Amino acid sequence: AQSVTQLGSHVSVSEGALVLLRCNYSSSVPPYLFWYVQYPNQGLQLLLKYTTGATLVKGINGFEAEFKKSETSFHLTKPSAHMSDAAEYFCAVRPNTGFQKLVFGTGTRLLVSP
Amino acid sequence: DVKVTQSSRYLVKRTGEKVFLECVQDMDHENMFWYRQDPGLGLRLIYFSYDVKMKEKGDIPEGYSVSREKKERFSLILESASTNQTSMYLCASRQGAQGELFFGEGSRLTVL
Repeated sequence: AQSVTQLGSHVSVSEGALVLLRCNYSSSVPPYLFWYVQYPNQGLQLLLKYTTGATLVKGINGFEAEFKKSETSFHLTKPSAHMSDAAEYFCAVRPNTGFQKLVFGTGTRLLVSP
Repeated sequence: DVKVTQSSRYLVKRTGEKVFLECVQDMDHENMFWYRQDPGLGLRLIYFSYDVKMKEKGDIPEGYSVSREKKERFSLILESASTNQTSMYLCASRQGAQGELFFGEGSRLTVL
């Protein structure tokens, strides 16, 4: 079975500061890992995903995440926060084979102050 | 551009009413999903469908049913709405088991 833990339901940063959103996963088989973003009153949009290959994954809007198997982590980072990054972010996991459901974390709301 | 359209963005219903939430995708995707989103709980899968007329229960199917008569349309049905079904409902679709999940904008349902 797969599960995802996102540490911190809310993260606050100042504009220009580093963004770090934490995600740890549990999976009995090699996983695919995802980060989604949800802006207010909208659906979810894929930020980036790890499937195979390079463990550092770059996504849209300057975000990136690193798959660390030894730490079972897939933390999301951005060097410099922008006001427009304020949103809710969801980490998700699924097995890398077969027809499988995506399992989501509980989400982290990113607040960006001027 | 890919598109998943949920027919109603906001609905207000009374306890006991039958509620239909409609979702249409224009990408010819095989798989479609209904999630429920609640604060602090993230997204929870209600039902999914991997083909026309096929459906599978997700993690929280109680109180819900679904219908997929055409490939592009996946409906979520609340036979008798209850206040604990007040929530944001998100539809999603993907092509095949390995495809990217595309989401609609959500339907916020309030049951009074």
